[in-house]
Amino acid sequence: QVQLQESGPGLVKPSETLSLTCTVSDGSISNYYWNWIRQPAGKGLEWIGRIYASGSTNYNPSLKSRVTMSIDTSRNQFSLKLSSVTAADTAIYYCAGEKSTRSWFDPWGQGTLVTVSS
Amino acid sequence: SYVLTQPPSVSVAPGKTARITCGGNNIGRKSVHWFQQKPGQAPVVVIYYDSDRPSGIPERFSGSNSGNTATLTISRVEAGDEADYYCQVWDNSSDHQVFGGGTRLTVL
Repeated sequence: QVQLQESGPGLVKPSETLSLTCTVSDGSISNYYWNWIRQPAGKGLEWIGRIYASGSTNYNPSLKSRVTMSIDTSRNQFSLKLSSVTAADTAIYYCAGEKSTRSWFDPWGQGTLVTVSS
Repeated sequence: SYVLTQPPSVSVAPGKTARITCGGNNIGRKSVHWFQQKPGQAPVVVIYYDSDRPSGIPERFSGSNSGNTATLTISRVEAGDEADYYCQVWDNSSDHQVFGGGTRLTVL
């Protein structure tokens, strides 16, 4: 069963770039779309974007100008960069797999809290 | 962009039936997935492709989708069903995923 684990700094300064990595284990990174989803405290889920093993991406239009996703199939990892962060970007960030377009998110990582503060 | 609308909260007594709606323009033409999220945990799918149920999810959970509304139905509600529920679709007109705002289910 594929498992996901997010990693990265838990604290980022305003105006800097948030960087997170998701490691895929017990499965191939080549068979899924890989997504980033975030959730501010006490609020709902927001889809950030996804990347396929080929490197093709889809981003949430509301974040597109600040988001870059990449994938390293040799290391079974994919990554998120979110630039020019503000306090509004403080959230739990989840990575999640998606077997095909129009399918559901499964599996999910446990989530990692990123706080934007000076 | 495509918008999914859920009621912020639904309350139900134990043993009764809870219905959580997800409204969207012609949502009946899309595939809807439902997630359950308990405090401190990642979401878990409880219904996929409108009405399919993953293994391990009780038969009490069911889904339907028609017209402008998709519905998650939880029969014989138990205290353990208390959670936040989110609907999700793929918007093929803009190539991105969309979540509803979420519904908090309270078991009275």
